[in-house]
Amino acid sequence: SSELTQDPAVSVALGQTVRITCQGDSLRSYYASWYQQKPGQAPVLVIYGKNNRPSGIPDRFSGSTSGNTASMTITGAQAEDEADYYCKSRDSSGNLMVFGGGTKLTVL
Amino acid sequence: QVQLQESGPGLVKPSETLSLTCTVSGYSISSAYYWGWIRQPPGKGLEWIGNIYHSGNTFYNPSLKSRITISVDTSKNQFSLKLSSVTVADTAVYYCARVVATIAPYFDYWGQGTLVSVSS
Repeated sequence: SSELTQDPAVSVALGQTVRITCQGDSLRSYYASWYQQKPGQAPVLVIYGKNNRPSGIPDRFSGSTSGNTASMTITGAQAEDEADYYCKSRDSSGNLMVFGGGTKLTVL
Repeated sequence: QVQLQESGPGLVKPSETLSLTCTVSGYSISSAYYWGWIRQPPGKGLEWIGNIYHSGNTFYNPSLKSRITISVDTSKNQFSLKLSSVTVADTAVYYCARVVATIAPYFDYWGQGTLVSVSS
């Protein structure tokens, strides 16, 4: 079982806003990073740190943290955002890494 | 542009050792950063395996620690994974990635992944 908990599936209407959440005790101390994975492809980093996007990631992607919950928000979801999204952080000991179980995002 | 490429056998027999190599281009592995391995069983989520620094310092997933060895060869700009005593449960796509080791570490560059099947 994962120390980071994500909803298995979330859907959003095209152009609307969606929030994908990740819960875990370690998130009270460490920011999560977020990865987008499309079928048959390697994961791609979309959010890291407090709320940073790598070059090339659209600004409709944003991140935030409150208490033990990290969130990634897509403002104005596009069809190409349909993918699996994984959060990652340190484990509760702070020494190791752990991924959330992943959220499948469907854009309707 | 940093690029990572996994290589190794695509089929391993049960009880044998899985061996993979990640070749890094566009960046010297001995300069900085940690380097990591992640795997993904078919249809399932991502699982962190472990990280290594160019000095050889390692961090392993406790659930796999007794079976894994990650090593680095700076002369070839490569790092490697060995997973011993494999079972069908080790069938997965294995990714290598670069780790930005901040207080909240993240993987910024990934290889394309390589499928390793465990079967007799």
